[in-house]
Amino acid sequence: KNEVEQSPQNLTAQEGEFITINCSYSVGISALHWLQQHPGGGIVSLFMLSSGKKKHGRLIATINIQEKHSSLHITASHPRDSAVYICAVFTGNQFYFGTGTSLTVIP
Amino acid sequence: DVKVTQSSRYLVKRTGEKVFLECVQDMDHENMFWYRQDPGLGLRLIYFSYDVKMKEKGDIPEGYSVSREKKERFSLILESASTNQTSMYLCASSLRIGGYTFGSGTRLTVV
Repeated sequence: KNEVEQSPQNLTAQEGEFITINCSYSVGISALHWLQQHPGGGIVSLFMLSSGKKKHGRLIATINIQEKHSSLHITASHPRDSAVYICAVFTGNQFYFGTGTSLTVIP
Repeated sequence: DVKVTQSSRYLVKRTGEKVFLECVQDMDHENMFWYRQDPGLGLRLIYFSYDVKMKEKGDIPEGYSVSREKKERFSLILESASTNQTSMYLCASSLRIGGYTFGSGTRLTVV
């Protein structure tokens, strides 16, 4: 069983499109992370959320604790946004990870 | 910014060799983690540590051991490398309450 489910698994978008990646989880959490991994590269933490909404540039992350759901939005997508996006939840003493969403943005 | 440094970016080892993967963080984080990442399986936790000399098994500890003699350093040890341990290995550290930072990864190939 997967404690964290992401959708979609793969996503192709045209440059400029608005993108949404979804994450649902089944455990009680103290925080949720959105991570970004570029091909061949390391992983960068984009957001850490425990409630509400956070914005950083063209990226917006929201979380609904009651529904155990989070979304990552990318506005005005660009080819440099092409990466794998991973949702991770922290229960207070352990992390659980989604398998990632592979995003390709076409010029 | 917190830095998590993994000693090697790419590593090729022979079956049966003892392999050490080193991870160092510079921000006094309590928690350190070792993961492996494989296509279609995502990130899987091998071992983690909440403090010096303390270690806990993750989801897939078989074939691995760890060492945390100093707070800033967390080593992953493959006692006798096997081909099914060919993978991307990622180290991470965090404060007790979260704030998670990854290293850049070590791509290990066992031949």
